[in-house]
Amino acid sequence: DSGVTQTPKHLITATGQRVTLRCSPRSGDLSVYWYQQSLDQGLQFLIQYYNGEERAKGNILERFSAQQFPDLHSELNLSSLELGDSALYFCASSVSNTGELFFGEGSRLTVL
Amino acid sequence: SQKIEQNSEALNIQEGKTATLTCNYTNYSPAYLQWYRQDPGRGPVFLLLIRENEKEKRKERLKVTFDTTLKQSLFHITASQPADSATYLCALGTDSWGKFQFGAGTQVVVTP
Repeated sequence: DSGVTQTPKHLITATGQRVTLRCSPRSGDLSVYWYQQSLDQGLQFLIQYYNGEERAKGNILERFSAQQFPDLHSELNLSSLELGDSALYFCASSVSNTGELFFGEGSRLTVL
Repeated sequence: SQKIEQNSEALNIQEGKTATLTCNYTNYSPAYLQWYRQDPGRGPVFLLLIRENEKEKRKERLKVTFDTTLKQSLFHITASQPADSATYLCALGTDSWGKFQFGAGTQVVVTP
């Protein structure tokens, strides 16, 4: 158990809908990362937050947004969903910007 | 653009032998490099971190080398066991805020 909690574990929705994925980092970790992993693809970096502030952005679509709240949990919002958004979405946390990442078990999103 | 390359073909190896995986990168000056293990449908798990000023790091049956001139890291699993079967990911990071990027991973299959 990494200590990182992601909900929901599985989510099935239709095209055009909007979903919110939630991540609770390990106790004491200030940095939260979001990654997307599609079938047969590697982990694609989406965005990083540190203590509530956005610190780095990857190839995150404009339809996607994220935030980190004062209690350090984070949410990833995916809107106007398309079939191609079906993927595993991982959250990871770390103590700082340069430490090892602790990953959650992921949220599997299926868009029909 | 920055690129991280790992062997895309699965590495099939007999139990007891040493598995060697490569991670090459271009257009990148990482301060450190990390290796993770990922099992199907699970989140990656941190294995080892090596900094740019370190040549080699060991942990139990694992060994990592880092050659900043060749822009390459090698990851070795000695005395491999069937339980080592998984996908192994390398990841590069810097000491400043920025994307923490992963390679696509190499699948290792250890047969008895």
